[in-house]
Amino acid sequence: GQNIDQPTEMTATEGAIVQINCTYQTSGFNGLFWYQQHAGEAPTFLSYNVLDGLEEKGRFSSFLSRSKGYSYLLLKELQMKDSASYLCAVRRGGGANNLFFGTGTRLTVIP
Amino acid sequence: GAVVSQHPSWVICKSGTSVKIECRSLDFQATTMFWYRQFPKQSLMLMATSNEGSKATYEQGVEKDKFLINHASLTLSTLTVTSAHPEDSSFYICSALRLQGSWWTFGSGTRLTVV
Repeated sequence: GQNIDQPTEMTATEGAIVQINCTYQTSGFNGLFWYQQHAGEAPTFLSYNVLDGLEEKGRFSSFLSRSKGYSYLLLKELQMKDSASYLCAVRRGGGANNLFFGTGTRLTVIP
Repeated sequence: GAVVSQHPSWVICKSGTSVKIECRSLDFQATTMFWYRQFPKQSLMLMATSNEGSKATYEQGVEKDKFLINHASLTLSTLTVTSAHPEDSSFYICSALRLQGSWWTFGSGTRLTVV
């Protein structure tokens, strides 16, 4: 089965840095994705990791450790518009192309 | 590029009726599309994988006779919620897999309310 866990809620201050963790135990692994989702809208792609290490993309960075089944999304210089849900998703391996999503983390950025 | 259009964006229906939701890939061909359901303050739950020209693959616990999926062309998949009940009220999102680059693109979602 699939088990992908994230903290339910986080609060951080504008201008600060926040790290959102994701741990996973899945039947097969072929990459991990992070998505941002504002309420009532579709998820939008943020980052993709398939090898261990850090991927940096502007204010957003994502890290993966396959041996530990662990990833994090790092958001720097937080802005009020970053208030959203952040979803960790694992792509199953073995030829399957399904994406399985974690529980999601609701981030609230306060002034 | 890689735009997925989902229609309608919201629908209200009476209990016992059926509702059809369409998912179209506008500028690419999608042999595989996925249907997700999202309850308030929860994450996306994969319901089924829709393959063009063949039967959909449903995840465990999803009733295939209640959630009918048709993927008749490379750009269109439909989800029909049959005999809808209030507990089916949810946010339904489709995504399409683009073979080049293997990227998923999501539709804008459909808010279904069954009264």
